[in-house]
Amino acid sequence: KQEVTQIPAALSVPEGENLVLNCSFTDSAIYNLQWFRQDPGKGLTSLLLIQSSQREQTSGRLNASLDKSSGRSTLYIAASQPGDSATYLCAVPALMNYGGATNKLIFGTGTLLAVQP
Amino acid sequence: KAGVTQTPRYLIKTRGQQVTLSCSPISGHRSVSWYQQTPGQGLQFLFEYFSETQRNKGNFPGRFSGRQFSNSRSEMNVSTLELGDSALYLCASSSHTGDGTDTQYFGPGTRLTVL
Repeated sequence: KQEVTQIPAALSVPEGENLVLNCSFTDSAIYNLQWFRQDPGKGLTSLLLIQSSQREQTSGRLNASLDKSSGRSTLYIAASQPGDSATYLCAVPALMNYGGATNKLIFGTGTLLAVQP
Repeated sequence: KAGVTQTPRYLIKTRGQQVTLSCSPISGHRSVSWYQQTPGQGLQFLFEYFSETQRNKGNFPGRFSGRQFSNSRSEMNVSTLELGDSALYLCASSSHTGDGTDTQYFGPGTRLTVL
């Protein structure tokens, strides 16, 4: 059974600092890994999706990497800003019995990021 | 394209009542999934509908049900509400090519409070 964990649960950094958020998964047979951002009381905003064949994906100040063999993904945020404060979640799709991907996402518990001005 | 929309945004109900939540996916998306988010349990998958058929189901009691219409809009219903059903209910849509490349897009959620 796939399990996804995120460490740390909370992180506070000063503005301008580069930071790394971690995501671990127990079953390396994944189709992709998606990173989301959630502002308090709001829905999830998709940040990046890394396919299993990819090593990394970049969008602006965000860079996500994927190492399937070690069951890890990292989200790198460069030059953090107060507006980056939010909860960051990673998720992988559950697999069908025969191995195909489903749309059922298994989420980590999230990292609450606070960027201090 | 318009994003995923959910209505209503907020609901207050009392125990024993039932509630219906609505989700309109991004135009062209045929897959709609529902999640429950609570502080204690995090995000938990409820079910997924694709082309009007339930394709996956999470571990929730039968009081939680859903359906999807021919225009891909989806509703979920919770009957005999309990205090523990208070949560943020999120729906997500995707095009689902089935090859693992699909991004899931989430709506703003419906905040349900059960008194």
